[in-house]
Amino acid sequence: DIQMTQSPSSLSTSVGDRVTITCRSSQNISRYLNWYQQKPGKAPKLLIYAASNLQSGVPSRFSGSGSGTDFTLTISSLQPEDFASYYCQHSYSFPCTFGQGTKLEIK
Amino acid sequence: QEQLAESGGGVVQPGRSLRLSCAASGFIFGSYGMHWVRQAPGKGLEWVAVIWYDGSKKYYSDSVRGRFTISRDNSKNTLDLQMNSLGAGDTAVYYCARDQYFGLPPMGGRSWNAVDVWGQGTKVTVSS
Repeated sequence: DIQMTQSPSSLSTSVGDRVTITCRSSQNISRYLNWYQQKPGKAPKLLIYAASNLQSGVPSRFSGSGSGTDFTLTISSLQPEDFASYYCQHSYSFPCTFGQGTKLEIK
Repeated sequence: QEQLAESGGGVVQPGRSLRLSCAASGFIFGSYGMHWVRQAPGKGLEWVAVIWYDGSKKYYSDSVRGRFTISRDNSKNTLDLQMNSLGAGDTAVYYCARDQYFGLPPMGGRSWNAVDVWGQGTKVTVSS
């Protein structure tokens, strides 16, 4: 099975900061990588699919990049509503595992 | 509006069974693959199972294979998860979720897919 490792696990940040979250897969997954946002008590929300494609309705401050085994999610200027947890997930094969998550906290 | 609504969660004793259901509305259910994803208290997301749009293929995580069964009824727009031999490690919120097809890579290969619609979740607690 493919393992997904995110870093950092948590991050203290401020409104307006540029934030980068990293996701690494245990083997080459090309661009089969998705990113999700989850707020406490809510279902996850799809942000990015196929490594760099913005899901409809997602603000343009979110962007994704990478291919192979190394991927990043970038938030260009953090907004108050962006304080949440973020998960990567590969869709290369089954099981389509998630990373362990990255929690953005207010500094 | 595309919606998924899970039901069937509750408190169950270790070793017992529970069946979760998910009702879909607002989209052509029979055209989409469907997933179950769970989240233990205070933990991250864990993918559980997927079923093809027509029920022809099913895949499971290692942690539930042989104990859980995913199924669907496209005539009723429902997705189910039969959970047997439950243990404390199965305590979680269970989400029903839709698989969306986002096209094919330029050089061919497997399609790009992601989960784009989620239910609100149903809580399962395994405890004596």
